[in-house]
Amino acid sequence: QLLLQESGPGLVKPSETLSLTCTVSGGSISSTSHYWGWIRQPPGKGLEWVATIYYSGTTYYNPSLKSRVTISVDTSKNQFSLKLSSVTAADTAVYYCARLSVAGFFDFWGQGTLVTVSS
Amino acid sequence: DILMTQSPATLSVSPGERATLSCRASQSVRSNLAWYQQKPGRAPRLLIYGASTRATGIPARFSGSGSGTEFTLTISSLQSEDFAVYYCQQYNNWPPWTFGQGTKVEIK
Repeated sequence: QLLLQESGPGLVKPSETLSLTCTVSGGSISSTSHYWGWIRQPPGKGLEWVATIYYSGTTYYNPSLKSRVTISVDTSKNQFSLKLSSVTAADTAVYYCARLSVAGFFDFWGQGTLVTVSS
Repeated sequence: DILMTQSPATLSVSPGERATLSCRASQSVRSNLAWYQQKPGRAPRLLIYGASTRATGIPARFSGSGSGTEFTLTISSLQSEDFAVYYCQQYNNWPPWTFGQGTKVEIK
């Protein structure tokens, strides 16, 4: 059974960098049949795609966040990570990591982690 | 970017009744459309992909239809566990991957 687990600080100060890691178990992040991604959901709002990565390192970013976002993969640890710089209160959200099929739908999701941006 | 628009925002349905949710794309996404269910405090769960293919373990009362720009998710007989928010997502033109704003199915 595939499991994805997000980890990282739940509180980040404004202007600092949000850093999250997703650990994948029950499957290989080096799968040629999948991509890996981050989606976020501000409290009470809808879903917003943030970034996606392939095991080879190919990356895709939401244009609205592109200047501040970095996604990376560590195949040796079966993990992928997200960094979002210069955060503001608008970045407060539940951040989900997820697996994508090569077609592009999100077939497995982590439980999500709430990140609050506040001083 | 492809804009996904869902309607209605809220749907009030009695248990055992049928629920019909709509999703419209700003341009054709062919059949590259997925539906997700999200319950409070939980991660979204994949229900439908390819516009009409149920994901593993999804009950037959959930069905999807449509292609191009107009899509429908139907829940044939609502069970108590089906009251949730439902999102559509296109994956025809990416990046970006785009979601609708969601339809909340509530108990009438």
